[in-house]
Amino acid sequence: AQKITQTQPGMFVQEKEAVTLDCTYDTSDQSYGLFWYKQPSSGEMIFLIYQGSYDEQNATEGRYSLNFQKARKSANLVISASQLGDSAMYFCAMSLLSSNTGKLIFGQGTTLQVKP
Amino acid sequence: EAQVTQNPRYLITVTGKKLTVTCSQNMNHEYMSWYRQDPGLGLRQIYYSMNVEVTDKGDVPEGYKVSRKEKRNFPLILESPSPNQTSLYFCASGLAGQETQYFGPGTRLLVL
Repeated sequence: AQKITQTQPGMFVQEKEAVTLDCTYDTSDQSYGLFWYKQPSSGEMIFLIYQGSYDEQNATEGRYSLNFQKARKSANLVISASQLGDSAMYFCAMSLLSSNTGKLIFGQGTTLQVKP
Repeated sequence: EAQVTQNPRYLITVTGKKLTVTCSQNMNHEYMSWYRQDPGLGLRQIYYSMNVEVTDKGDVPEGYKVSRKEKRNFPLILESPSPNQTSLYFCASGLAGQETQYFGPGTRLLVL
């Protein structure tokens, strides 16, 4: 079954420090995409970063990087130099390129709180 | 500015009163989709559309309708809302064949 697992319901990090949010995925498909979205308390879903299953290099977008370990089926999000505005819920998601629904499969999310 | 817009952002209604949540994107995306987000259940796909006049059911389509008459618009219709449709609804869009989907700001619906 296709599944995303985020094992950290909540995390704290000190401002300006780096933090890693864990994500593991389960699929037998060879072609898939992995995403991270941020959901602040206001509720919107903000796209952060994308990694394709055939991408050999880890994706980076500013302070966000995706630590992609294919053999372990993990796609951890690393936020460098945390800011107070990073406090939010973070969702890992997967899409299967073989699927014709375009559906994103989401994990349960991790709540990150950045301490001043 | 490239964006997905939804209206209304907040809505309180009563059981059985038909409502429509609009969704519009200005990125010329072929693909559009609706999700609902519920505590403990995460985000679940309601309906999706690969292009104009092409729509199909997602995982939880019961009680919902959609239409795709124009590329930019993908309204979600609740013909007879019930309290179990109280939820946070998201519209999303993306280019067909590419994976990244962009979400609207969400619509919080309360059905009394």
